[in-house]
Amino acid sequence: DGGITQSPKYLFRKEGQNVTLSCEQNLNHDAMYWYRQDPGQGLRLIYYSQIVNDFQKGDIAEGYSVSREKKESFPLTVTSAQKNPTAFYLCASSIDAAGRGLSYNEQFFGPGTRLTVL
Amino acid sequence: QKEVEQNSGPLSVPEGAIASLNCTYSDRVSQSFFWYRQYSGKSPELIMSIYSNGDKEDGRFTAQLNKASQYVSLLIRDSQPSDSATYLCAVRRRGYSTLTFGKGTMLLVSP
Repeated sequence: DGGITQSPKYLFRKEGQNVTLSCEQNLNHDAMYWYRQDPGQGLRLIYYSQIVNDFQKGDIAEGYSVSREKKESFPLTVTSAQKNPTAFYLCASSIDAAGRGLSYNEQFFGPGTRLTVL
Repeated sequence: QKEVEQNSGPLSVPEGAIASLNCTYSDRVSQSFFWYRQYSGKSPELIMSIYSNGDKEDGRFTAQLNKASQYVSLLIRDSQPSDSATYLCAVRRRGYSTLTFGKGTMLLVSP
């Protein structure tokens, strides 16, 4: 079964704690992305990675960190420096269209992790 | 600031009608355009992609792209209550892997 999995589905964090959200894909996609969605808001890009061992900051990277040690995995850590972390976190993947000079870049999403700070 | 604009809605249509969702974008070098459907509490699901001017049809969905006027639209024919969701427009700039999303339009289809 090909797809993107995220875990956990729900996560509760106390003030001052770091938490790590998991994202795994078996679509053989090069690129992976992390987005944050707040109520009534669109998706905002946190970090993305086009290749293993390399990643780039998105629009709202402050207070977050990522790693890309394997092609299939792109975990996101929400650190205590993130002032307002309560949100719906979405992981996505795609082929690396820009890197391959392709015009299409369909991104597919995992089911998401809902993070709440207590 | 590269922007993607959508009317937040809600757009209300009766069952069986045509729903028309619109999206405008500011970046003229935008190359690829996508429509995602997002049910409440769920993740976005890709329903249409379009890369060249004109219409692209897939079942009850038609995407329309006009690069000169910088807008892309999604038509849903024979709307069903199960189409009630938020529709997100996303745009990719040439040479970039990332997408810029609009805030979405909520569609309500009444029986």
